[in-house]
Amino acid sequence: GENVEQHPSTLSVQEGDSAVIKCTYSDSASNYFPWYKQELGKRPQLIIDIRSNVGEKKDQRIAVTLNKTAKHFSLHITETQPEDSAVYFCAASRPRSNDYKLSFGAGTTVTVRA
Amino acid sequence: KAGVTQTPRYLIKTRGQQVTLSCSPISGHRSVSWYQQTPGQGLQFLFEYFSETQRNKGNFPGRFSGRQFSNSRSEMNVSTLELGDSALYLCATRPGQGETQYFGPGTRLLVL
Repeated sequence: GENVEQHPSTLSVQEGDSAVIKCTYSDSASNYFPWYKQELGKRPQLIIDIRSNVGEKKDQRIAVTLNKTAKHFSLHITETQPEDSAVYFCAASRPRSNDYKLSFGAGTTVTVRA
Repeated sequence: KAGVTQTPRYLIKTRGQQVTLSCSPISGHRSVSWYQQTPGQGLQFLFEYFSETQRNKGNFPGRFSGRQFSNSRSEMNVSTLELGDSALYLCATRPGQGETQYFGPGTRLLVL
């Protein structure tokens, strides 16, 4: 099955700096890669996703890049703010197969220091 | 549209008991997946239901089961509870073949 590894497990950044989280996956058939943000005591919320036919996607201060050859994808948060403090999860899946499931990375706890 | 809802939000059970959790999907969403979240194991896939049929299953023992009703609402059941079953149980729904999953608030289960 799919195995997703995520690094680092914790990340502390100064407000205004950038944060980068990296994930690798093992199943070359995976073609959908969402990122979820989970604040303490709340549900995971989708913040951005990318499909295998795209190399990069940006939404305001958040961007995701995908390298299918190397089987890794990354989340970039620029101009970090205190409200960016949360746990971030990457995931991989094959949504159009009957074997659909999200395989998650272990999560990265991001702390933005004021 | 209303979001994904889960009931109950909190549960306390003792070892050996059984528990049933419920998930109501976003209107029009026919796929419901269940995940277990623990500090040690992270987010682990339990199973997915689509049109009342289990379509995929994760690596959990048979004590974990589920079902889906014709209105797409889903329940999961855990029998003979163990201390290690203490976790946040999340359901996530999507339209069907669509990719994006939307999570419910979860049910926090504590087994004593």
